[in-house]
Amino acid sequence: GAGVSQTPSNKVTEKGKYVELRCDPISGHTALYWYRQSLGQGPEFLIYFQGTGAADDSGLPNDRFFAVRPEGSVSTLKIQRTERGDSAVYLCASSLTIVTEAFFGQGTRLTVV
Amino acid sequence: AQKVTQAQTEISVVEKEDVTLDCVYETRDTTYYLFWYKQPPSGELVFLIRRNSFDEQNEISGRYSWNFQKSTSSFNFTITASQVVDSAVYFCALSGGGGSTLGRLYFGRGTQLTVWP
Repeated sequence: GAGVSQTPSNKVTEKGKYVELRCDPISGHTALYWYRQSLGQGPEFLIYFQGTGAADDSGLPNDRFFAVRPEGSVSTLKIQRTERGDSAVYLCASSLTIVTEAFFGQGTRLTVV
Repeated sequence: AQKVTQAQTEISVVEKEDVTLDCVYETRDTTYYLFWYKQPPSGELVFLIRRNSFDEQNEISGRYSWNFQKSTSSFNFTITASQVVDSAVYFCALSGGGGSTLGRLYFGRGTQLTVWP
């Protein structure tokens, strides 16, 4: 597609449930990033992939969060046993390489009730 | 450690006024990259500019201009003759040039710009 696509755009889930957020990057972009943005804050880094491998996952808050990119294109962010504090907008971005500018998707707004 | 400070939380101007958004950064890297992004009410972050640490030339793009000063660790953004459509949250961001800081963006808290007609 022309831009980074994220699905769903909104997700409401109950505390304790498992959720998956999907990101479809710009075609040909090798680097893919996940960020989390809380209200009134700047995006915070979670993880990035170079190809299929996670090059840096130091931003994942705990072991309930996991992300994959099995074929070097689409990525899925997985959150187990969701908590109310996980509520935020999850942003995905991709870039041609890790030193070029990143282009962001419209985000997935996750609400844990 | 990488850090970006946007001291202005909110700015309000009237259309056609010029406005400058401040950005101060901290890094120990000798090679690094600076960015500005715009986030309109729709929520999507829109890329505006990327500069590397070796290029201190100021840049102008239409009504937008950027002033990069390594001596003061600042990368300020000026909008000339502001318009209502410029209303958005603007984020300054920093990326390191190698090692553990490579690739990831460190964002400031953003500046909410409101342009009144």
